[in-house]
Amino acid sequence: DAGITQSPRHKVTETGTPVTLRCHQTENHRYMYWYRQDPGHGLRLIHYSYGVKDTDKGEVSDGYSVSRSKTEDFLLTLESATSSQTSVYFCAITGTGEGYTFGSGTRLTVV
Amino acid sequence: GESVGLHLPTLSVQEGDNSIINCAYSNSASDYFIWYKQESGKGPQFIIDIRSNMDKRQGQRVTVLLNKTVKHLSLQIAATQPGDSAVYFCAERGGGGADGLTFGKGTHLIIQP
Repeated sequence: DAGITQSPRHKVTETGTPVTLRCHQTENHRYMYWYRQDPGHGLRLIHYSYGVKDTDKGEVSDGYSVSRSKTEDFLLTLESATSSQTSVYFCAITGTGEGYTFGSGTRLTVV
Repeated sequence: GESVGLHLPTLSVQEGDNSIINCAYSNSASDYFIWYKQESGKGPQFIIDIRSNMDKRQGQRVTVLLNKTVKHLSLQIAATQPGDSAVYFCAERGGGGADGLTFGKGTHLIIQP
């Protein structure tokens, strides 16, 4: 999607290893979000950020941490990946609290 | 439980017919709603949004209706085309600010030739 890039697009990792997913935006939007999408659950909010170094927990934050040291980057870290964290992860941005734009997603498999 | 949900997991319509996808929400404080379309392997794509002070909003071939009395949201797609085949999600933002959206589980729209 224009203005928002997620990396990597696909990743396979082993249980217990740390994993970091990156969301990069070129829109200079203030608000950024991490969601996970699982069959039967739709999209669920993990963490979000109101600005640099200003983050908060969402609905399913256990096992995840985030950092935002620059406006354009929002990192999601799984400190010790578990099989339950196998999912598709989406980043979203908004400048006004409306019209949220989503990235193309990262498919993470924990084996 | 889900704050926002959809009544049907799958909706099958004939090409050229109109499609109506429904959504119920439970948070009366929600002030903003969005419909997204998601195709296989892609991220959610914005279709149309509506604020809680409106009842109806129209876009190109799409209309969103909001009934706050019964906490119901619907998406109408006119003259459904094969390219409309996707999963559709409604989402709500509760009470202002930018605390993120709450999503329903989605409706898979299937277009019959």
